[in-house]
Amino acid sequence: KNEVEQSPQNLTAQEGEFITINCSYSVGISALHWLQQHPGGGIVSLFMLSSGKKKHGRLIATINIQEKHSSLHITASHPRDSAVYICAVSGSQGNLIFGKGTKLSVKP
Amino acid sequence: DAGITQSPRHKVTETGTPVTLRCHQTENHRYMYWYRQDPGHGLRLIHYSYGVKDTDKGEVSDGYSVSRSKTEDFLLTLESATSSQTSVYFCATSGDPDTQYFGPGTRLTVL
Repeated sequence: KNEVEQSPQNLTAQEGEFITINCSYSVGISALHWLQQHPGGGIVSLFMLSSGKKKHGRLIATINIQEKHSSLHITASHPRDSAVYICAVSGSQGNLIFGKGTKLSVKP
Repeated sequence: DAGITQSPRHKVTETGTPVTLRCHQTENHRYMYWYRQDPGHGLRLIHYSYGVKDTDKGEVSDGYSVSRSKTEDFLLTLESATSSQTSVYFCATSGDPDTQYFGPGTRLTVL
């Protein structure tokens, strides 16, 4: 069993829809990260959180430490949000342990 | 964004040849990491460094070695490339163990 599981693997939405991507993990963590990988391949860190909720523009990330679960929400989705969204948790070596990613496609 | 560059960005090589990938950072970050990204696996840690000349193995280190002789450079070497090492390689750096910044990636093809 992977230590970090994401769902769904693929997601297609219409522009304007509210989107939720889920992440569950099975290890103790110091922090959870949400990353975005653009179609060109670059990886950008969106959020790092260890409790509660963070918001940046139309993106909201929440984490429930007791349930070992996090969600990434996108409000008023737009085609430019199309990307792969990756959940990762901080490992004991300071590295990140990654989920396999959720490929999001937002249609106009 | 952190100043992280990787070279080369693309490389095609033949089985059995040595290959070295370079990661260069201008942020004076202590921690540096090499990951590989393959379809169906996500990103996986190859090696990491927590300081000059201090390195350790990650999850998929077989067939790879690293060196860090100065803070800004972290080299990944494939001593004898194999087709299973065809992948996209990402370098990442961190000034603390949690917040990581990624390089643009190197696409390596081993024929």
